[in-house]
Amino acid sequence: DAGVTQSPTHLIKTRGQQVTLRCSPKSGHDTVSWYQQALGQGPQFIFQYYEEEERQRGNFPDRFSGHQFPNYSSELNVNALLLGDSALYLCASRTGGAGGYTFGSGTRLTVV
Amino acid sequence: DAKTTQPPSMDCAEGRAANLPCNHSTISGNEYVYWYRQIHSQGPQYIIHGLKNNETNEMASLIITEDRKSSTLILPHATLRDTAVYYCIAANAGGTSYGKLTFGQGTILTVHP
Repeated sequence: DAGVTQSPTHLIKTRGQQVTLRCSPKSGHDTVSWYQQALGQGPQFIFQYYEEEERQRGNFPDRFSGHQFPNYSSELNVNALLLGDSALYLCASRTGGAGGYTFGSGTRLTVV
Repeated sequence: DAKTTQPPSMDCAEGRAANLPCNHSTISGNEYVYWYRQIHSQGPQYIIHGLKNNETNEMASLIITEDRKSSTLILPHATLRDTAVYYCIAANAGGTSYGKLTFGQGTILTVHP
């Protein structure tokens, strides 16, 4: 059973460009969250999607937006990239109840 | 979410038990204690969670004090592959309200041969 799948694994973008990262949740999971992890830091919550709606949002600017599709997969979009957006972007999924999240291996974004 | 405090680093000999403490003195009644770990260059891995009672699974045991102000994650027989950053998180659970995991700096556990 595949876990959480993220694509691409690595990406290099130029400052000012836009980027889209993709996530397929673990089979049976309907809730998807996105995290940003800068080098040497713990992951920081960006937002969570459930039933195709953004349910919770962390302290990130509107340049960060997302979408969840009917098949529960999700996209993270970042506009007007800044050098400081360089990080590992993690997608996590879960289903209802108190259980833990399953995380993907992440997309390493480098902004130059 | 309640703030958690963990030691920045710990060492453990291979084969011995690793006991990782976590303080969460402001935890509210509906917050669970979750433990995740992150091995270098990988996404975090869920280990275990609990509300009031002690919990055990195939990976670890979780001991929560009666007042719920602190907990200990126990890896009973640590191996070199258990070397990772361990995160203790207090979070609401259930339904769509459970979304945000607040990761701190965690504890870097190094298992030595």
